[in-house]
Amino acid sequence: GAGVSQSPSNKVTEKGKDVELRCDPISGHTALYWYRQSLGQGLEFLIYFQGNSAPDKSGLPSDRFSAERTGGSVSTLTIQRTQQEDSAVYLCASSLVGQNTGELFFGEGSRLTVL
Amino acid sequence: GESVGLHLPTLSVQEGDNSIINCAYSNSASDYFIWYKQESGKGPQFIIDIRSNMDKRQGQRVTVLLNKTVKHLSLQIAATQPGDSAVYFCAEESGGSNYKLTFGKGTLLTVNP
Repeated sequence: GAGVSQSPSNKVTEKGKDVELRCDPISGHTALYWYRQSLGQGLEFLIYFQGNSAPDKSGLPSDRFSAERTGGSVSTLTIQRTQQEDSAVYLCASSLVGQNTGELFFGEGSRLTVL
Repeated sequence: GESVGLHLPTLSVQEGDNSIINCAYSNSASDYFIWYKQESGKGPQFIIDIRSNMDKRQGQRVTVLLNKTVKHLSLQIAATQPGDSAVYFCAEESGGSNYKLTFGKGTLLTVNP
């Protein structure tokens, strides 16, 4: 597609379950980012990929959170043993390498609700 | 402007008026600033950016002003239209990171027809 695609768009899960969120970046974009947006809040940086490697994972809130990227394209954010405080919109963005990050192209997000 | 807490700052304007959205940033080392627009249910969309060696930059109907002395950023929207209704975020990039943006909490702009 032409833009960043995320799935699922909505996910409701029970506390303690694992969830996987997927991101398909724009073709050719080597940089990929995950952000989290809680209700009425700004965006919280989670992790940054350059190609398949993640030079900065500093924003991941706990060891229950992990992410990977394969083939320099699709990325998966996994949350294990979900907690209610994990409820948020998880946004993925991509950009061209070597470009200022201002031109981040965001997907529409995956809304996670943990009951 | 930006604030801490669960309630977004809000700005309500009449269609056709000019809007000014303010943002205070905290990191004096930040050298690149961006404004994003987020419509309901969508991801943020890039509007305009400015580097720290500039104090003003204009786009189509939008102008960003940067005051490094007081660490203040503003977004001016001329002739505001109903389609401009959205949450507006400022973001800063700290020197050297080249990738990590720190976002403000956003301002909700409502344009009344």
